[in-house]
Amino acid sequence: QLQLQESGPGLVKPSETLSLTCTVSGGSISSSGYYWGWIRQPPGEGLGWIGTIYFSGSTSYNPSLKSRVTISVDTSKNQFSLKLTSVTAADTAVYYCARQGGSYDYYAMDVWGQGTTVTVSS
Amino acid sequence: DIQMTQSPSSLSASVGDRVTITCRASQSITTYLNWYQQKPGKAPKLLVHAASSLQSGVPSRFSGSGSGTDFTLTISSLQPEDFATYYCQQSYSTPYTFGQGTKLEIK
Repeated sequence: QLQLQESGPGLVKPSETLSLTCTVSGGSISSSGYYWGWIRQPPGEGLGWIGTIYFSGSTSYNPSLKSRVTISVDTSKNQFSLKLTSVTAADTAVYYCARQGGSYDYYAMDVWGQGTTVTVSS
Repeated sequence: DIQMTQSPSSLSASVGDRVTITCRASQSITTYLNWYQQKPGKAPKLLVHAASSLQSGVPSRFSGSGSGTDFTLTISSLQPEDFATYYCQQSYSTPYTFGQGTKLEIK
């Protein structure tokens, strides 16, 4: 079945760039009608949507992060990636990647990666 | 942004109890409302999408209802594995937003 796996550094220094990759297995990232997204959860807090991408490269970002976020897709590797620049301690969180359905599925996130913890600290 | 408010924030209940969690949107989201369950250290799991459509494989004791601004998630008879945190999420417009969560604990 479809599986998602996040990877990337667990520790990032303040002011540097956080980079994570989500590898999709058991299915194609180019499947029509699905989007691919990033969500984060600070320690002890709730969930926050970061943004999504379609396999064509079309993106949608949370305005609160838009100036610092880039999500990209590599269909040849069946991966999509997150870059978050100028990080601060407030960006410390568990980062999840997820598959998001299209309009027929009411854009619900039905498959999630296990999450990866990123700590911003010098 | 559309604000999502869940109540209660925490809830103590016993196995076998019927439990209802409420989610209110700051504006109409028709039925673009999803419910997730999250256990400690685990990723969220989709339970209900489109306000009332049960995700494949989710036990029938879970049900969702509502439209517009007011929604509920009901667990008809709590099982030990249901003790977790539950989140609602609106997918009507970006930025997609989540409620603050409802932690369901064993009484």
